[in-house]
Amino acid sequence: GQNIDQPTEMTATEGAIVQINCTYQTSGFNGLFWYQQHAGEAPTFLSYNVLDGLEEKGRFSSFLSRSKGYSYLLLKELQMKDSASYLCAVSSNDYKLSFGAGTTVTVRA
Amino acid sequence: TAGITQAPTSQILAAGRSMTLRCTQDMRHNAMYWYRQDLGLGLRLIHYSNTAGTTGKGEVPDGYSVSRANTDDFPLTLASAVPSQTSVYFCASSGLGGSDTQYFGPGTRLTVL
Repeated sequence: GQNIDQPTEMTATEGAIVQINCTYQTSGFNGLFWYQQHAGEAPTFLSYNVLDGLEEKGRFSSFLSRSKGYSYLLLKELQMKDSASYLCAVSSNDYKLSFGAGTTVTVRA
Repeated sequence: TAGITQAPTSQILAAGRSMTLRCTQDMRHNAMYWYRQDLGLGLRLIHYSNTAGTTGKGEVPDGYSVSRANTDDFPLTLASAVPSQTSVYFCASSGLGGSDTQYFGPGTRLTVL
């Protein structure tokens, strides 16, 4: 089975940095995805990590440690439009995605 | 570019009635998926299809059926709806590799009374 944990909610100030952690225990591993989901909308792809280390993509970065079953998504220079849910998802041996419950980030002025 | 479309956008359904949620993609993806999203539970896989003509069960398949007659369409049917099937339903598609991104449709909000 899959077990994916991430915090339920986080709040941060505009311009600040927020780090969303995700821990996982899965049967097989073929990479970890982060998705962004604004209220009432579909999830959209942010990042994919399959090797250990940091992947940077503009204001967003994602880190993976396979040995620790751990990832984080780092959001820098927060903007009001970054208020959304952030979903951690693990691809297992059969390439199916298992999702965490999501972390709702609220950015305050 | 359309990507993935779903219909209807929302629906209120009486318990015991049947309903088909439609999903169409124009990206020629082999794999398609149906998820339900409930508060506090995240996205859970209902059924999937790796290619036209084949389907498989996900984490929560009971009460749902799917078919994949061609590459583009992947309808989800509720034969006899129950209130616990009230949820937001997302269809997604992707290539078949482990690194292939899943692209999601806009969702269908279903309320079963």
